[in-house]
Amino acid sequence: GAVVSQHPSWVICKSGTSVKIECRSLDFQATTMFWYRQFPKQSLMLMATSNEGSKATYEQGVEKDKFLINHASLTLSTLTVTSAHPEDSSFYICSARVLAQQYFGPGTRLTVT
Amino acid sequence: DAKTTQPTSMDCAEGRAANLPCNHSTISGNEYVYWYRQIHSQGPQYIIHGLKNNETNEMASLIITEDRKSSTLILPHATLRDTAVYYCIVPSGPGNRDDKIIFGKGTRLHILP
Repeated sequence: GAVVSQHPSWVICKSGTSVKIECRSLDFQATTMFWYRQFPKQSLMLMATSNEGSKATYEQGVEKDKFLINHASLTLSTLTVTSAHPEDSSFYICSARVLAQQYFGPGTRLTVT
Repeated sequence: DAKTTQPTSMDCAEGRAANLPCNHSTISGNEYVYWYRQIHSQGPQYIIHGLKNNETNEMASLIITEDRKSSTLILPHATLRDTAVYYCIVPSGPGNRDDKIIFGKGTRLHILP
């Protein structure tokens, strides 16, 4: 099946710094990618929808200036958490859509100290 | 968008069939039902999807009632590795198959040795 990768798989950063997470579709092209966030013992929460070559669409309550999304090619989307704070510590998961199917990456665990 | 209702948790003995129910009474005629699962600390994994006919693949079977208001995911011979949270999802948006996946709370399935 289609494979989606994320890099890094985990990252620790200091409060106030920015962190970039990459999401790649390895064996297919995806016009649409999605970013989710998951806190402990909670379900995944959709943050934004990203279409190649256009601006991302953010869900209500998600700060677009804090979570910068770039979808520069059909196989790569990036999420940058700017000026990270401890409350941004979470599990970030991307997915890519092809042929009405969404395939999910393995997730990136972000810890902000 | 159609909402789904699932039991919070279920237990199943290893080697037995696990039957996970889902209610989606407000589903529209052209909306698909998708099932995903999430094993602890991993990204969600696609299992199966269907419209009105029963579906089967190497992972599971999906039984959809004739009125399409509910469905059951069947794992025929559950193993310990099937312990996960299972999500029944009817994608939201006008295109359904082309639209975003919103996760509810899912069913936490425990496979007992």
